Amino acid sequence: QKEVEQNSGPLSVPEGAIASLNCTYSDRGSQSFFWYRQYSGKSPELIMFIYSNGDKEDGRFTAQLNKASQYVSLLIRDSQPSDSATYLCAVNSYNQGGKLIFGQGTELSVKP
Amino acid sequence: DAGVIQSPRHEVTEMGQEVTLRCKPISGHDYLFWYRQTMMRGLELLIYFNNNVPIDDSGMPEDRFSAKMPNASFSTLKIQPSEPRDSAVYFCASSSQGRDTQYFGPGTRLTVL
Repeated sequence: QKEVEQNSGPLSVPEGAIASLNCTYSDRGSQSFFWYRQYSGKSPELIMFIYSNGDKEDGRFTAQLNKASQYVSLLIRDSQPSDSATYLCAVNSYNQGGKLIFGQGTELSVKP
Repeated sequence: DAGVIQSPRHEVTEMGQEVTLRCKPISGHDYLFWYRQTMMRGLELLIYFNNNVPIDDSGMPEDRFSAKMPNASFSTLKIQPSEPRDSAVYFCASSSQGRDTQYFGPGTRLTVL
């Protein structure tokens, strides 16, 4: 079992719809959870981080964390073509001394 | 405030040659990470440093790879000798206190012919 798993996609949604990106992790000691966006040919850039169970909202983005189910998700409301990118889930465990473990990424395509 | 700086941005070399990639972390950050990204394997952590000291190099693929951090503002990743399978994008990232957000540099696209 991979430490951090994501559906590779591609996930295709129409413009204006809600895009839902999911991630599961195996280490129950995980404490911090991050979502990065990576455009083709560019470096990963942070979108959001979440530490506590529940929802965290930032503009059109909402991160959801359920530690009991070892599940973290990212919702993008009112999706725009400019949101088309690969979204990387990353998990940091204090047990691993500060390392971030990345999932393979989910490719999102927002169709006009 | 300048972000993470990497050089060169692109490197094309021939098999067997030595390759040196360079990174300048964000000022004040005490953790530095080297990653490699390929389509097949995704983003892999190679090695990371805390206060210039290597903490975990378990991701370094083999002895051909080495990394140094002689001071807080500079790190190198060296491949000697290079092989075609080393072709990838190499990212450097830095963070403060290691458990916080990692900020990535623009990457070095390495092609080994």
